[in-house]
Amino acid sequence: QSVLTQPPSASGTPGQRVTISCSGSRSNIGGNFVYWYQKFPGTAPKLLIYRNNQRPSGVPDRFSGSKSGTSASLAMSGLRSEDEADYYCATWDDSLHNWVFGGGTKLTVL
Amino acid sequence: QVQLQESGPGLVKPSETLSLTCTVSGDSISSYYWSWIRQPPGKGLEWIGYTYNSAISRYNPSLQSRVTLSVDTSKNQFSLKLRSVTAADTAVYYCARWDGGPTNWGQGTLVTVSS
Repeated sequence: QSVLTQPPSASGTPGQRVTISCSGSRSNIGGNFVYWYQKFPGTAPKLLIYRNNQRPSGVPDRFSGSKSGTSASLAMSGLRSEDEADYYCATWDDSLHNWVFGGGTKLTVL
Repeated sequence: QVQLQESGPGLVKPSETLSLTCTVSGDSISSYYWSWIRQPPGKGLEWIGYTYNSAISRYNPSLQSRVTLSVDTSKNQFSLKLRSVTAADTAVYYCARWDGGPTNWGQGTLVTVSS
């Protein structure tokens, strides 16, 4: 069971806005930066968001991150079929002294 | 743009040592922290640890007793050694640059632990 809780699945139609949540605690999300990754089957994770809401160069501004208290969210607007992938949140946990990942959310574009 | 490539045996026997190398191009390995992450088949991502010039290292507490990360600046490579492996260590192993968290990732390499 992951320290960070994500919904196992999410879905949306093309053009729609979808949000994926990541719930933690004071020892992880509450006190540290959150990172988000996109992963397609058989490929390496790709960094989408770092330090809660920063986008690396090359990541479209359709992707945005936010954090409030002990929860974080990844929002995707103007959903496209190529966004269908697994999404993971991650952060440092001060109590576990460990970098922790959420269990992942499988996004389906209907 | 930094690129990372994992290399090493795809099959390791139980109780032996898993050894992987990550070759970095496009960046000086001395300038950053570097990490390893793995994903067992059908399971989630698990952080193994990070290192900086072999002088600073931090490991997943659940693996700390079996893991060593090191850096070879002459080859612009860093390495993972995981001792006393079991079938539970079967996974795709990724190397990544670390900047507060994993940023740029290698493509990953599958390591199977089996006799």
